[in-house]
Amino acid sequence: EDKVVQSPLSLVVHEGDTVTLNCSYEVTNFRSLLWYKQEKKAPTFLFMLTSSGIEKKSGRLSSILDKKELFSILNITATQTGDSAVYLCAVYGDDKIIFGKGTRLHILP
Amino acid sequence: KAGVTQTPRYLIKTRGQQVTLSCSPISGHRSVSWYQQTPGQGLQFLFEYFSETQRNKGNFPGRFSGRQFSNSRSEMNVSTLELGDSALYLCASSLGLAELQETQYFGPGTRLLVL
Repeated sequence: EDKVVQSPLSLVVHEGDTVTLNCSYEVTNFRSLLWYKQEKKAPTFLFMLTSSGIEKKSGRLSSILDKKELFSILNITATQTGDSAVYLCAVYGDDKIIFGKGTRLHILP
Repeated sequence: KAGVTQTPRYLIKTRGQQVTLSCSPISGHRSVSWYQQTPGQGLQFLFEYFSETQRNKGNFPGRFSGRQFSNSRSEMNVSTLELGDSALYLCASSLGLAELQETQYFGPGTRLLVL
Protein backbone atom coordinates (compact mmCIF):
# COMPACT_ATOMS: atom_id res chain seq x y z
CA GLU A 1 0.00 0.00 0.00
CA ASP A 2 1.31 3.43 -0.91
CA LYS A 3 2.27 5.57 2.05
CA VAL A 4 4.11 8.71 3.07
CA VAL A 5 5.50 8.89 6.60
CA GLN A 6 6.78 12.07 8.18
CA SER A 7 8.87 12.37 11.31
CA PRO A 8 8.92 13.67 13.87
CA LEU A 9 5.20 14.29 14.35
CA SER A 10 5.96 17.37 16.38
CA LEU A 11 8.99 19.40 17.26
CA VAL A 12 9.63 22.29 19.65
CA VAL A 13 12.85 24.26 19.32
CA HIS A 14 14.18 27.69 20.23
CA GLU A 15 14.51 30.54 17.82
CA GLY A 16 17.82 30.34 16.00
CA ASP A 17 18.03 26.56 16.09
CA THR A 18 18.31 24.44 12.95
CA VAL A 19 15.69 21.75 12.33
CA THR A 20 15.52 18.79 9.97
CA LEU A 21 12.18 17.31 9.01
CA ASN A 22 11.96 13.87 7.45
CA CYS A 23 9.69 12.33 4.85
CA SER A 24 9.92 8.71 3.75
CA TYR A 25 7.68 7.16 1.14
CA GLU A 26 6.59 4.02 -0.61
CA VAL A 27 4.64 5.10 -3.66
CA THR A 28 4.09 3.26 -6.90
CA ASN A 29 5.54 4.99 -9.95
CA PHE A 30 7.06 7.92 -8.09
CA ARG A 31 6.95 11.14 -10.06
CA SER A 32 7.72 13.98 -7.65
CA LEU A 33 7.80 14.98 -3.99
CA LEU A 34 6.51 18.28 -2.65
CA TRP A 35 6.83 20.15 0.60
CA TYR A 36 4.13 22.50 1.87
CA LYS A 37 3.84 24.80 4.87
CA GLN A 38 0.44 25.00 6.50
CA GLU A 39 -0.41 27.60 9.11
CA LYS A 40 -4.00 28.35 10.10
CA LYS A 41 -5.10 28.22 6.50
CA ALA A 42 -4.52 26.32 3.27
CA PRO A 43 -1.08 24.85 2.53
CA THR A 44 1.44 26.99 0.71
CA PHE A 45 3.96 25.50 -1.67
CA LEU A 46 7.64 25.32 -0.67
CA PHE A 47 9.52 22.94 -2.97
CA MET A 48 9.05 20.30 -5.62
CA LEU A 49 11.73 17.63 -6.05
CA THR A 50 11.91 15.21 -8.93
CA SER A 51 15.58 14.28 -9.24
CA SER A 52 17.68 12.60 -6.64
CA GLY A 53 20.50 14.44 -4.97
CA ILE A 54 19.57 17.90 -6.16
CA GLU A 55 19.12 20.42 -3.37
CA LYS A 56 16.39 23.01 -3.66
CA LYS A 57 17.02 26.12 -1.61
CA SER A 58 15.00 29.19 -0.75
CA GLY A 59 16.47 31.46 1.86
CA ARG A 60 16.78 29.57 5.13
CA LEU A 61 14.88 26.55 3.79
CA SER A 62 16.39 23.75 1.77
CA SER A 63 15.35 20.28 0.74
CA ILE A 64 16.93 17.24 -0.84
CA LEU A 65 15.55 14.01 -2.25
CA ASP A 66 17.09 10.54 -2.12
CA LYS A 67 15.21 8.39 -4.64
CA LYS A 68 17.30 5.33 -3.89
CA GLU A 69 16.54 5.37 -0.16
CA LEU A 70 13.03 6.80 -0.74
CA PHE A 71 13.17 9.81 1.53
CA SER A 72 13.46 13.55 1.59
CA ILE A 73 14.50 16.06 4.21
CA LEU A 74 13.47 19.64 4.75
CA ASN A 75 16.03 21.75 6.54
CA ILE A 76 15.33 25.10 8.20
CA THR A 77 18.27 27.08 9.55
CA ALA A 78 18.20 30.02 11.96
CA THR A 79 14.56 29.34 12.76
CA GLN A 80 12.19 32.20 13.51
CA THR A 81 8.82 32.24 15.29
CA GLY A 82 7.18 32.73 11.90
CA ASP A 83 8.38 29.28 10.90
CA SER A 84 5.91 27.74 13.36
CA ALA A 85 3.52 25.69 11.24
CA VAL A 86 2.68 22.19 10.08
CA TYR A 87 4.99 21.05 7.31
CA LEU A 88 3.45 18.60 4.87
CA CYS A 89 5.21 16.25 2.52
CA ALA A 90 3.31 14.95 -0.51
CA VAL A 91 4.30 12.42 -3.14
CA TYR A 92 2.87 12.11 -6.63
CA GLY A 93 2.74 8.59 -7.95
CA ASP A 94 0.54 6.31 -9.99
CA ASP A 95 -2.05 8.96 -10.86
CA LYS A 96 -2.63 10.23 -7.35
CA ILE A 97 -1.05 12.32 -4.66
CA ILE A 98 -0.47 11.09 -1.13
CA PHE A 99 0.20 13.37 1.81
CA GLY A 100 2.01 12.58 5.03
CA LYS A 101 0.39 13.48 8.36
CA GLY A 102 2.74 16.41 8.73
CA THR A 103 5.28 17.62 11.25
CA ARG A 104 4.03 20.27 13.66
CA LEU A 105 6.90 22.67 14.30
CA HIS A 106 6.77 25.19 17.14
CA ILE A 107 9.49 27.79 17.53
CA LEU A 108 9.92 29.29 20.98
CA PRO A 109 11.07 32.92 21.15
CA LYS B 1 -3.75 37.71 -10.07
CA ALA B 2 -6.62 36.48 -7.91
CA GLY B 3 -6.05 33.25 -6.01
CA VAL B 4 -8.16 30.14 -5.76
CA THR B 5 -11.57 30.85 -4.27
CA GLN B 6 -13.93 28.43 -2.60
CA THR B 7 -17.53 28.82 -1.58
CA PRO B 8 -19.05 28.53 0.88
CA ARG B 9 -16.38 28.88 3.53
CA TYR B 10 -18.45 27.18 6.23
CA LEU B 11 -21.33 24.76 6.02
CA ILE B 12 -23.42 22.82 8.51
CA LYS B 13 -25.48 19.86 7.31
CA THR B 14 -27.21 16.88 8.86
CA ARG B 15 -26.67 13.21 8.16
CA GLY B 16 -28.28 11.99 4.98
CA GLN B 17 -28.26 15.37 3.27
CA GLN B 18 -26.16 16.19 0.27
CA VAL B 19 -23.81 19.11 -0.27
CA THR B 20 -22.19 20.90 -3.20
CA LEU B 21 -18.96 22.84 -2.84
CA SER B 22 -17.58 25.22 -5.44
CA CYS B 23 -14.04 26.11 -6.48
CA SER B 24 -12.84 28.78 -8.89
CA PRO B 25 -9.21 28.26 -9.96
CA ILE B 26 -6.58 30.85 -10.69
CA SER B 27 -7.15 32.42 -14.08
CA GLY B 28 -5.44 30.33 -16.76
CA HIS B 29 -5.29 27.19 -14.62
CA ARG B 30 -7.11 24.24 -16.14
CA SER B 31 -6.56 21.59 -13.48
CA VAL B 32 -8.54 21.49 -10.26
CA SER B 33 -7.91 18.96 -7.52
CA TRP B 34 -9.97 18.33 -4.41
CA TYR B 35 -8.71 17.18 -1.02
CA GLN B 36 -10.25 16.28 2.31
CA GLN B 37 -8.40 17.21 5.47
CA THR B 38 -9.26 15.77 8.88
CA PRO B 39 -7.25 15.64 12.12
CA GLY B 40 -7.17 11.85 12.05
CA GLN B 41 -6.41 11.14 8.40
CA GLY B 42 -4.57 14.27 7.42
CA LEU B 43 -4.81 15.53 3.87
CA GLN B 44 -6.26 13.02 1.39
CA PHE B 45 -6.64 13.32 -2.36
CA LEU B 46 -10.17 13.05 -3.71
CA PHE B 47 -9.88 13.64 -7.46
CA GLU B 48 -8.48 15.88 -10.17
CA TYR B 49 -10.30 17.44 -13.08
CA PHE B 50 -8.75 18.73 -16.27
CA SER B 51 -10.60 20.03 -19.30
CA GLU B 52 -13.95 19.00 -17.84
CA THR B 53 -12.81 15.38 -17.37
CA GLN B 54 -11.86 13.51 -14.24
CA ARG B 55 -8.22 12.64 -14.84
CA ASN B 56 -7.18 11.13 -11.50
CA LYS B 57 -9.06 9.71 -8.54
CA GLY B 58 -8.29 8.85 -4.93
CA ASN B 59 -9.79 6.12 -2.79
CA PHE B 60 -13.09 7.63 -1.76
CA PRO B 61 -16.55 6.07 -2.09
CA GLY B 62 -18.89 6.95 -4.93
CA ARG B 63 -20.79 9.35 -2.66
CA PHE B 64 -18.04 11.80 -3.49
CA SER B 65 -18.25 13.14 -7.01
CA GLY B 66 -17.28 16.21 -8.92
CA ARG B 67 -17.42 18.00 -12.19
CA GLN B 68 -15.66 20.77 -14.02
CA PHE B 69 -17.13 23.39 -16.27
CA SER B 70 -15.77 24.87 -19.49
CA ASN B 71 -14.43 27.89 -17.58
CA SER B 72 -12.44 25.46 -15.34
CA ARG B 73 -14.58 26.14 -12.29
CA SER B 74 -15.26 22.94 -10.41
CA GLU B 75 -17.87 21.63 -8.06
CA MET B 76 -17.67 18.74 -5.63
CA ASN B 77 -20.73 16.91 -4.41
CA VAL B 78 -21.12 14.63 -1.43
CA SER B 79 -24.37 12.69 -1.18
CA THR B 80 -25.89 10.93 1.81
CA LEU B 81 -23.64 12.75 4.27
CA GLU B 82 -22.14 10.84 7.17
CA LEU B 83 -20.70 12.21 10.42
CA GLY B 84 -17.24 11.20 9.23
CA ASP B 85 -17.52 13.55 6.27
CA SER B 86 -16.98 16.48 8.61
CA ALA B 87 -13.72 17.97 7.38
CA LEU B 88 -11.97 20.83 5.68
CA TYR B 89 -12.34 20.42 1.92
CA LEU B 90 -9.54 22.03 -0.02
CA CYS B 91 -9.40 22.79 -3.68
CA ALA B 92 -6.13 23.35 -5.53
CA SER B 93 -5.50 24.58 -9.03
CA SER B 94 -2.60 24.29 -11.42
CA LEU B 95 -1.86 24.79 -15.08
CA GLY B 96 -2.53 21.12 -15.70
CA LEU B 97 0.27 20.62 -18.18
CA ALA B 98 2.17 18.06 -16.11
CA GLU B 99 -0.65 15.99 -14.61
CA LEU B 100 -0.28 16.28 -10.84
CA GLN B 101 3.46 16.91 -11.13
CA GLU B 102 3.36 20.66 -10.98
CA THR B 103 2.85 23.23 -8.26
CA GLN B 104 -0.69 23.43 -6.98
CA TYR B 105 -2.16 26.50 -5.37
CA PHE B 106 -4.66 25.90 -2.62
CA GLY B 107 -7.86 27.76 -1.86
CA PRO B 108 -8.89 28.68 1.70
CA GLY B 109 -11.10 25.61 2.01
CA THR B 110 -14.69 24.88 2.93
CA ARG B 111 -15.21 23.66 6.46
CA LEU B 112 -18.08 21.18 6.52
CA LEU B 113 -19.70 20.06 9.73
CA VAL B 114 -22.14 17.15 9.60
CA LEU B 115 -24.47 16.81 12.57
